[in-house]
Formats: sequence, C-alpha cells, structure tokens
Amino acid sequence: NAGVTQTPKFQVLKTGQSMTLQCAQDMNHEYMSWYRQDPGMGLRLIHYSVGAGITDQGEVPNGYNVSRSTTEDFPLRLLSAAPSQTSVYFCASSYVAGTSYEQYFGPGTRLTVT
Amino acid sequence: GNSVTQMEGPVTLSEEAFLTINCTYTATGYPSLFWYVQYPGEGLQLLLKATKADDKGSNKGFEATYRKETTSFHLEKGSVQVSDSAVYFCALSAGNNRKLIWGLGTSLAVNP
Repeated sequence: NAGVTQTPKFQVLKTGQSMTLQCAQDMNHEYMSWYRQDPGMGLRLIHYSVGAGITDQGEVPNGYNVSRSTTEDFPLRLLSAAPSQTSVYFCASSYVAGTSYEQYFGPGTRLTVT
Repeated sequence: GNSVTQMEGPVTLSEEAFLTINCTYTATGYPSLFWYVQYPGEGLQLLLKATKADDKGSNKGFEATYRKETTSFHLEKGSVQVSDSAVYFCALSAGNNRKLIWGLGTSLAVNP
C-alpha cells in the first residue's frame, strides 16, 4: 500500500521560477492538506481540501495555489518562488467522516529557493 | 481559539531513562488529542491518540492520558532507546473540519 506519495524529494529553484509539488494518496481519503515545516515554527497549514473540487486556505496561503480535480491528487503550485519559501513541504490526508481524525503524511519535499 | 503548548527541547536522555514530554491544550468542546513522531529525514506518523477524557493512548511503549481537568496530554515512556530519537509533536482536532492544531515539536536525543 503506497499511502501518501510526494514528488520530488528535493528541489532547488531560483527566485521567480514556478513549480508544482505533487501529492497523491491511494486510501480514498476525502481530506488532503499541505503543510510547511520550518525550524522553530512547527507545522503551518498552507491549503486544504475536503473533497474533489473544494479547496480552502490555511494559515499561510500567500504565494501558493492548489486544485483538487480528483480524490487522489492534490498538487501545490508555487507561482513565483521566493527565498522565504525555502522549507520542507508535507502533504497529508485523512477521512472526513468518523471520529479518528488521523492524518497520514507523505515523506516530504525539501525545497530550496536561491 | 484552539492551541497546543508543548515543552521546548531539545531533550537529551541516556538509554533506559524515563521520558516525559509535557503537552497542554486550549480548546472548546471535546477535542481529540494526538502524538505524532517524526524520525530524521521522514514525514510525521501517528504515535498514539485519545478521543475522549480519561482515555489512554499507547503504542511502542509510549503512553499518554487525556486529562480534561488539567487540559493535558503528556507523553511518557518508561525506558527510552536510541531508536526513539526523533521529534515529537502534540496535536488536537476540534470540531468537524479535520484541521489539526499543532504544538511546535520537541526534539528528543537518546544517547547510548
């Protein structure tokens, strides 16, 4: 069972470049989310989705776009990369129904913007 | 609003020592509480959880009890191993929007 997969694992961008971080899950989870992890700041929610066609902003959405055309995929787009977006990015997913709220995480993408 | 506060690290212990990582929370209603662990170079994975007051979550020798009277969910392990070296995150989920509220994480290093 693949769980949550993310590509690429590492990426270096120059300021102003754009790119898409890929996230896919094979657990039929309705809820998917993107976090960034920075030293001393824990995990911060960028965007999330409660189902195909539905997305919403988290704490730190500026500079990022998302879409959710299928249940499985939730790509994160950086429109014009800035050094402040240097971070480790995690995708996570969970069921919407029920009471468990357990989120499953991907292995992360380490992004450096120079 | 909802928030989670956990003790700052890093925590450094010798193998077989007792571990406590404190976590307290502020939330309306009856949140679910979680501990996640992040091993070096990996994503987060659920360590244990509790969904109602007085529940005890346990896994891999770790335990945490949901204490509503003290709004706490402290993580404990009786005898840590080198392989427990990781960052530990306390989190809560309140309401039905599936968002998790995270603590800042506590780094644990266990020396042989």
